[in-house]
This record gives sequence, C-alpha cells and structure tokens, in this order.
Amino acid sequence: KAGVTQTPRYLIKTRGQQVTLSCSPISGHRSVSWYQQTPGQGLQFLFEYFSETQRNKGNFPGRFSGRQFSNSRSEMNVSTLELGDSALYLCASARDRGGGSSDEQYFGPGTRLTVT
Amino acid sequence: AQSVSQHNHHVILSEAASLELGCNYSYGGTVNLFWYVQYPGQHLQLLLKYFSGDPLVKGIKGFEAEFIKSKFSFNLRKPSVQWSDTAEYFCAVNTPNTGGFKTIFGAGTRLFVKA
Repeated sequence: KAGVTQTPRYLIKTRGQQVTLSCSPISGHRSVSWYQQTPGQGLQFLFEYFSETQRNKGNFPGRFSGRQFSNSRSEMNVSTLELGDSALYLCASARDRGGGSSDEQYFGPGTRLTVT
Repeated sequence: AQSVSQHNHHVILSEAASLELGCNYSYGGTVNLFWYVQYPGQHLQLLLKYFSGDPLVKGIKGFEAEFIKSKFSFNLRKPSVQWSDTAEYFCAVNTPNTGGFKTIFGAGTRLFVKA
C-alpha cells in the first residue's frame, strides 16, 4: 500500500511569508503527527491530530498550526516565517487501533523548507 | 519534561565490529521505546520497539535493544555491522498518557561503517 506522502518536497520562502505543507497518511491511519528536523535540534515534535482534533502539542510558538480533514489528510501552516524555521518537516501517520501511542508510526519523506 | 539522550553523535566502525549505541530517557512512568533509522536519502523507519514484556527486543536487520528500567536505558546493539548499516539512528520515547502520540526523539547518532 502507498506510504505517507508529503507535498511539496522542497520549498523556498522569504522571511515574513507564510507556508502550508500537506501530508497524506497511509490509508486507514487516523493519527497524523508533525515533526521539525534540524541539524542542531534534531527531531522535535510539533503536534498530533486524530479525528480532526489536535490531540497533542509540542513546545512551538503559535505561528505553527495545523489541521486535519475528515479523510485524515493533514496540513500544517507556519505564519510569519523566520530564518530559523528552515528545516525538514516530517509527517508521520499511525493506525491507532485504540492502543494510542503503542502503535507504530510511519514517516513520510519530508518537506524541505528554506527561508531566505 | 521528558528528554532522550544519545551518548554518541558520531560513531565510526569497521565492518564486522560490534555496535552498541546508548540511549537514556528521563521519565518515571510507563514508556514506549523505539529505535528508528534513517538511511541516506531514505525515510525514517522503525528498527524495533518495546512496549512491555521481554526487555530484550529484536528488530530488523539483526538489531536488538535491551530495556533496563532501573537505568532508564534502551541501548541498541548489533553483533557485527555491515557497510549497509551506515545511517543515522534515533532513539525515541513516548508515553501512553491520555492517548495519542507525543514522541520525543534523541539527537541521533550518525554511524559510518568502513568497508
């Protein structure tokens, strides 16, 4: 079956702009999580959505937001971009059969965002 | 707050050498533990996981990890590495809190295996 897909794969934006990234989970997966990966900070948890509701949230400013649609697809938005937002943004999906965090997460290839 | 520490940021080994990557976490309650691997140019993928039961878990490609609760550790091991094991390895933790995923990752260890 198809894996997690993310679009676009690469993006260049200017400081102050906003950006929207998209994630399509594996069919049947209801949980979608977002992570920011940078060389200095590693992988940091942004937020997790389940059934169109944000279920968990990391320690990122309010400029970072997301949503999930009824088909489980998810988008994340970053407003007023800063140079430090340059990173690889990863999306991960999980089935969540009621086991919650015990299920395996499957990661997408990521969106490489460069802010100039 | 939970945190995950990986002791080595870079490891260089020759083929057939044994591997052990350290991972410690800080959380006093029940945890789910994972090791993920990112091969060059590929997605992050799961190597192995521990939820409960036997503290020695086996994963793909000959990797195993041991959960030692008293030491808050979950070290990854492989008896004999291959050139194809060159990758970045991440230890991760989440807690079965109110539900869902809030996975905390370590900083990663870059492994380079010399042929």
